Amino acid sequence: EAGVAQSPRYKIIEKRQSVAFWCNPISGHATLYWYQQILGQGPKLLIQFQNNGVVDDSQLPKDRFSAERLKGVDSTLKIQPAKLEDSAVYLCASSLDGHLNTGELFFGEGSRLTVL
Amino acid sequence: GNSVTQMEGPVTLSEEAFLTINCTYTATGYPSLFWYVQYPGEGLQLLLKATKADDKGSNKGFEATYRKETTSFHLEKGSVQVSDSAVYFCALSQGAQKLVFGQGTRLTINP
Repeated sequence: EAGVAQSPRYKIIEKRQSVAFWCNPISGHATLYWYQQILGQGPKLLIQFQNNGVVDDSQLPKDRFSAERLKGVDSTLKIQPAKLEDSAVYLCASSLDGHLNTGELFFGEGSRLTVL
Repeated sequence: GNSVTQMEGPVTLSEEAFLTINCTYTATGYPSLFWYVQYPGEGLQLLLKATKADDKGSNKGFEATYRKETTSFHLEKGSVQVSDSAVYFCALSQGAQKLVFGQGTRLTINP
């Protein structure tokens, strides 16, 4: 079974530029998550989708970050304009049912962003 | 809000040593508790979980017991191997709410 696919693996940009990350979840997984992991910290949820609807985006900096999940499958996360503090690894994860008490999240390898 | 605190790292041990990585949590009610592991060059993956008090999660020789009285979920392994070198994350969730992670503990096992 193919895992969660993310691209690009690495991206270096200058502040105020824009960047986009792509995620393809495991086939059949209804719930998709984007996490931000800053060096030395645990992952922090940015946004959660159930199919193509947003369940939780309370920690997404909406003035610069946006995300969409068209057709309830692939998802893109965009940052525009980027700031130095956006340097982090962006993790995509998916789960079958979104109920964390019983299920589990499957993570991609992440996209590492460096903002200069 | 909910939070997870892990012991400070990094942790370095010799092969076959006993491992404990401490994890305590703050939450209302009865969260589910998880340990995730990130091996070098790979994505986070679930190691073990416990969904109610006194449950013991186990996998690959690792164990953790859900202790509500001490709000803890410490990870243990009796004899570690070089292949256990990774970053370990304790996490919790309640209902369908988001997974909240600790800051991670880097473990290095020397042969």
